[in-house]
Amino acid sequence: NAGVTQTPKFRILKIGQSMTLQCTQDMNHNYMYWYRQDPGMGLKLIYYSVGAGITDKGEVPNGYNVSRSTTEDFPLRLELAAPSQTSVYFCASSYSGGSGNEQFFGPGTRLTVL
Amino acid sequence: SQELEQSPQSLIVQEGKNLTINCTSSKTLYGLYWYKQKYGEGLIFLMMLQKGGEEKSHEKITAKLDEKKQQSSLHITASQPSHAGIYLCGAGRRTNKLIFGTGTLLAVQP
Repeated sequence: NAGVTQTPKFRILKIGQSMTLQCTQDMNHNYMYWYRQDPGMGLKLIYYSVGAGITDKGEVPNGYNVSRSTTEDFPLRLELAAPSQTSVYFCASSYSGGSGNEQFFGPGTRLTVL
Repeated sequence: SQELEQSPQSLIVQEGKNLTINCTSSKTLYGLYWYKQKYGEGLIFLMMLQKGGEEKSHEKITAKLDEKKQQSSLHITASQPSHAGIYLCGAGRRTNKLIFGTGTLLAVQP
């Protein structure tokens, strides 16, 4: 199993550009998550999904959109990139949610918005 | 204020020394997770604690959960350079979300 894979690993965007961060898991997990990690900070939950076709907002959803058309894929969309979105983005998945279920993380996407 | 507070924020220890990292929750804990992150990499799962008083160990790392105090501690015995990295605690919530602490940066000097 590849686990959780993310593409791209690095990206530089200009202000106002858009892009999609890809996330795929091959563990047949129901739950998937997107986090951002700012320098010196912990992880903040952006969006999460409890299954195909179901998504919900996390702590910091503004400026982002997600979709979950399949169990495997959970892309994160930035429509109008802003410098405040410069961060490292992590995708994670788990068999189910909440306590008692380990989240598996991807290697991250390092995004810079100039 | 953060729901999960970690202390210290950063720590430098000499190789071979013991150290403890603490994680305190402002809300009821429904499971506490410890992860380790190396710079530029994703998070590696270390341990999960669910019951008050539970203690788990893996190699030289021991984690305890004090549910009454809504706290967990991570203790490393005889630290090695391979222990260096960022340690993050995560707390399960009823709402299927995992809330993370701010992290503790550990450096181990040879």
